[in-house]
Amino acid sequence: EVQLVESGGGLVQPGGSLRLSCAASGFAFGSTWMIWVRQAPGKGLEWVADMNTDGSEKFYVDSVKGRFTMSRDNAKNSVYLQMNSLRAEDTAVYYCAKDLGWLQIDYWGQGALVIVSS
Amino acid sequence: QSALTQPASVSASPGQSIAISCTGTSSDVGGHDRVSWYQQYPGKVPKLVIYDVTNRPSGVSDRFSGSKSGNTASLTISGLQAEDEADYYCGSYRTGHTLVFGGGTKLTVL
Repeated sequence: EVQLVESGGGLVQPGGSLRLSCAASGFAFGSTWMIWVRQAPGKGLEWVADMNTDGSEKFYVDSVKGRFTMSRDNAKNSVYLQMNSLRAEDTAVYYCAKDLGWLQIDYWGQGALVIVSS
Repeated sequence: QSALTQPASVSASPGQSIAISCTGTSSDVGGHDRVSWYQQYPGKVPKLVIYDVTNRPSGVSDRFSGSKSGNTASLTISGLQAEDEADYYCGSYRTGHTLVFGGGTKLTVL
């Protein structure tokens, strides 16, 4: 059974930092591209970032470039999202997701809520 | 404003069929057969119901089908059931390695 379990969400002040983690199991993690998607309260889905199997290729939505960094540790079957210089508009549920191929998502984590507020 | 355009809402009675459209450009929907559809209940995690425009994952009802014409993809749900009431999002690969989503469509089963 595929499982994706996020952790690390919480309340942070504007300008602060937060690191999300996602522990994966039930599939060949080291052979799978991984994706982060977010959903602001009451809003739609937004792709944030994704990464190839060995972490050598990373892609980001323009609004987070230079502030967010995605990484992975294949030995630990985990993917991470380091979020710096957080803004109010980054407030959202962040989903870790498994790429079926060509940025199509076949499994989603339960989500981690990030609230950026003073 | 979302990259892909979906109707905000659709409604129909049980047993009827509905189609939800998803309009993009030649850089995404029209240029790649990598359109996916997701079902999301309030407060729940999205679920993949269609990928590669027309393919259904294992376990998804065959009442769900997908199609594409030009820059517009469509999700059709036939034989509507109360359990189909949810939000539906389309997603597409965009040239240059970007994933774009539609703004979502709220399906109401009357």
